[in-house]
Amino acid sequence: DVKVTQSSRYLVKRTGEKVFLECVQDMDHENMFWYRQDPGLGLRLIYFSYDVKMKEKGDIPEGYSVSREKKERFSLILESASTNQTSMYLCASTGPVPYEQYFGPGTRLTVT
Amino acid sequence: RKEVEQDPGPFNVPEGATVAFNCTYSNSASQSFFWYRQDCRKEPKLLMSVYSSGNEDGRFTAQLNRASQYISLLIRDSKLSDSATYLCVVNRGDSWGKLQFGAGTQVVVTP
Repeated sequence: DVKVTQSSRYLVKRTGEKVFLECVQDMDHENMFWYRQDPGLGLRLIYFSYDVKMKEKGDIPEGYSVSREKKERFSLILESASTNQTSMYLCASTGPVPYEQYFGPGTRLTVT
Repeated sequence: RKEVEQDPGPFNVPEGATVAFNCTYSNSASQSFFWYRQDCRKEPKLLMSVYSSGNEDGRFTAQLNRASQYISLLIRDSKLSDSATYLCVVNRGDSWGKLQFGAGTQVVVTP
């Protein structure tokens, strides 16, 4: 079974803090993705990575950066958290079947 | 206009009944289509792919209409465990396997 894990299920941070969200997959997948999910808006792609040290902006990259130093790990960084970044953050990876994305359990981030 | 549009629902369905709902997509370059299921406070999971000729997986039937750019999902003999949000998903037509997700249709199956 594919397993995608995320470092925290719930996180509360203050405005201006630097926030790190980590995602690890155990299936040697090439592609990894970070989304945020908000009511009525669905999943929106923040960044994705197709290989170690390779990254591409998604639809809403502003205020975020990513790091992929190892194949299994993809980190999302909020450089200076703001209240409008309060959301559910979901990490996903894909394997040989490119469109079947396996998601982690999500991190519900609240920025106060 | 959203790239993938869905009726948010909720669709309230008596147990044992049939429910069907659609989604429309705007990217004519999309070639692959899916339904994902998301339970409350859980991550999305792939339910089924949608093929041009239509396909069934047990009580679930998916249809694709490329000309009108819509996808449908029909659930027969609904179970309480079918209560979830169903996400319509299309590929973006690029080489990276990026997907475009709809906001979801909520289905509530009642006893």
